[in-house]
Amino acid sequence: EAQVTQNPRYLITVTGKKLTVTCSQNMNHEYMSWYRQDPGLGLRQIYYSMNVEVTDKGDVPEGYKVSRKEKRNFPLILESPSPNQTSLYFCASSWGRVNTEAFFGQGTRLTVV
Amino acid sequence: DAKTTQPPSMDCAEGRAANLPCNHSTISGNEYVYWYRQIHSQGPQYIIHGLKNNETNEMASLIITEDRKSSTLILPHATLRDTAVYYCIVRSQEGAQKLVFGQGTRLTINP
Repeated sequence: EAQVTQNPRYLITVTGKKLTVTCSQNMNHEYMSWYRQDPGLGLRQIYYSMNVEVTDKGDVPEGYKVSRKEKRNFPLILESPSPNQTSLYFCASSWGRVNTEAFFGQGTRLTVV
Repeated sequence: DAKTTQPPSMDCAEGRAANLPCNHSTISGNEYVYWYRQIHSQGPQYIIHGLKNNETNEMASLIITEDRKSSTLILPHATLRDTAVYYCIVRSQEGAQKLVFGQGTRLTINP
């Protein structure tokens, strides 16, 4: 089954404690991206990757890092989480930038206290 | 990418057709219209997309006006499971690799 898998689904952590949210897709997609969703602000792109070793900032990249060492994986790293990073996070992947649908993971609800 | 305008909420009776409108009056010639939906807090789900012709798939139909300034997503026989927030997105081929989600339309299917 074609899918995008995020882990963990839920996470409560403390300010400053480094964490990684993993994202994996089994569709051999080139494009992957991370979004965060906050009430009243909708979904906003954090980072995206056009292929292995190619990443770029989205609209709200501050406080986040990503890596794309393999095509299937695109982890989101919070080196020093802060309470304003409490949010619902989604990973997405697609074949390419033209005429393609994006597949989203089920989301990671992160709370930073 | 062009901005879209959708009604904040709509209701529809179960079994009836749900027609969700979207205005995109500033759309340009190379921009596509995409529809996604998000059920509760799950990941957004792709529904359909089109450029200028009407499109239909197993989930829905997309009707785009001739001037392409508006479109309508049609769920032909709505079920309770179609209750979700529906997003209309306009996106160009040359645009940044991202989907710009507005506030969408919260569709409630009533029994």
